Amino acid sequence: GAVVSQHPSRVICKSGTSVKIECRSLDFQATTMFWYRQFPKQSLMLMATSNEGSKATYEQGVEKDKFLINHASLTLSTLTVTSAHPEDSSFYICSARGIVWTTFGSGTRLTVV
Amino acid sequence: DQQVKQNSPSLSVQEGRISILNCDYTNSMFDYFLWYKKYPAEGPTFLISISSIKDKNEDGRFTVFLNKSAKHLSLHIVPSQPGDSAVYFCAASGGSGGSNYKLTFGKGTLLTVNP
Repeated sequence: GAVVSQHPSRVICKSGTSVKIECRSLDFQATTMFWYRQFPKQSLMLMATSNEGSKATYEQGVEKDKFLINHASLTLSTLTVTSAHPEDSSFYICSARGIVWTTFGSGTRLTVV
Repeated sequence: DQQVKQNSPSLSVQEGRISILNCDYTNSMFDYFLWYKKYPAEGPTFLISISSIKDKNEDGRFTVFLNKSAKHLSLHIVPSQPGDSAVYFCAASGGSGGSNYKLTFGKGTLLTVNP
């Protein structure tokens, strides 16, 4: 149980375009999901907390207009990187709080060219 | 301000021996600690956790020890196997800033188990 599916696993996009990443909890409902970003050889940095039916809570320094988060249902949260630039290239990971522990998605490698 | 610290970026052990991964934290409000294993280009996989009301939790080859007074926890893997080779992240939750579901991660320790 407690499976989180993240899609796509890899995406390459042109600078200036937008990319949407989906995070689904497959066998449980998650009122709260989290989005992280990881740079090479760095820790996972929390970007925002996604709350079902309400606005996301962004961490300090994260541009809410650039990283749009929507948590439309108890099983789906999406992160849209708008007007992507090469510096947005990174590994993005979502997670959902289960009954006992937090389960992570498999991550999305975003490359902006 | 790094609230969760894993001071050893890497660790190498022989197969069959014990692997000990360390983690220190500074926020005394943390009340739940987790260890995750991560392979390159994949999301972290939950390994084991411990609540602040305990000082030890064991699950098969994995044991986590918590020393609250020292704000230190460690993950013991015994016996270590080559398949254990991965990056191990220590994470903590609780504390200020809202939801106690938020995890604060250390930078990870790359464990290499040599056959």
